[in-house]
Amino acid sequence: AQTVTQSQPEMSVQEAETVTLSCTYDTSESDYYLFWYKQPPSRQMILVIRQEAYKQQNATENRFSVNFQKAAKSFSLKISDSQLGDAAMYFCAYRILGGSNYKLTFGKGTLLTVNP
Amino acid sequence: DVKVTQSSRYLVKRTGEKVFLECVQDMDHENMFWYRQDPGLGLRLIYFSYDVKMKEKGDIPEGYSVSREKKERFSLILESASTNQTSMYLCASSFRGRWSEQFFGPGTRLTVL
Repeated sequence: AQTVTQSQPEMSVQEAETVTLSCTYDTSESDYYLFWYKQPPSRQMILVIRQEAYKQQNATENRFSVNFQKAAKSFSLKISDSQLGDAAMYFCAYRILGGSNYKLTFGKGTLLTVNP
Repeated sequence: DVKVTQSSRYLVKRTGEKVFLECVQDMDHENMFWYRQDPGLGLRLIYFSYDVKMKEKGDIPEGYSVSREKKERFSLILESASTNQTSMYLCASSFRGRWSEQFFGPGTRLTVL
């Protein structure tokens, strides 16, 4: 069974600084997708960034980037120039490729606090 | 904008009651999902549906059932609510494509007394 581990229940960062959230996963599959979702307080969960396992190049979306290490099964999220609006619960998620199984397996989340 | 709506933001029910949680999406998505979110446990999949009248069990289906009679609507049913079903329930939907992103609703916080 696939598992996703986020080892940092809570993290904090100063505004304008950079923070990295960790995620590791366990799978025997070779093709899969990885995602980072953000859930702001009392607001809907939204997708931040995603990565296809077969792509070696790390995904980037503005201030958000990932460090994908396939051999190590590691998928960390880097937030640069942190803003107050980045404060949220962040979930790492995994999904296998193909078939009719669109199930996402989520980690337990990391609560990010941004200090002004 | 994709919109996924859930019928209630907060709900309080009594033990043994039958509870219906409704989810509606307006983007013609084939797939719909029900998750349960608990502190320290993340999101766990209860059921999902990949087409009208089709459903598959997720990781924690016990005590729940679902109904999808129309493409845009996916209902979660607690046949006899229990206190351990007190939780935040999130609905999501997506297209069937391989690269599809899941869009989430705002959640329903259910308290069972």
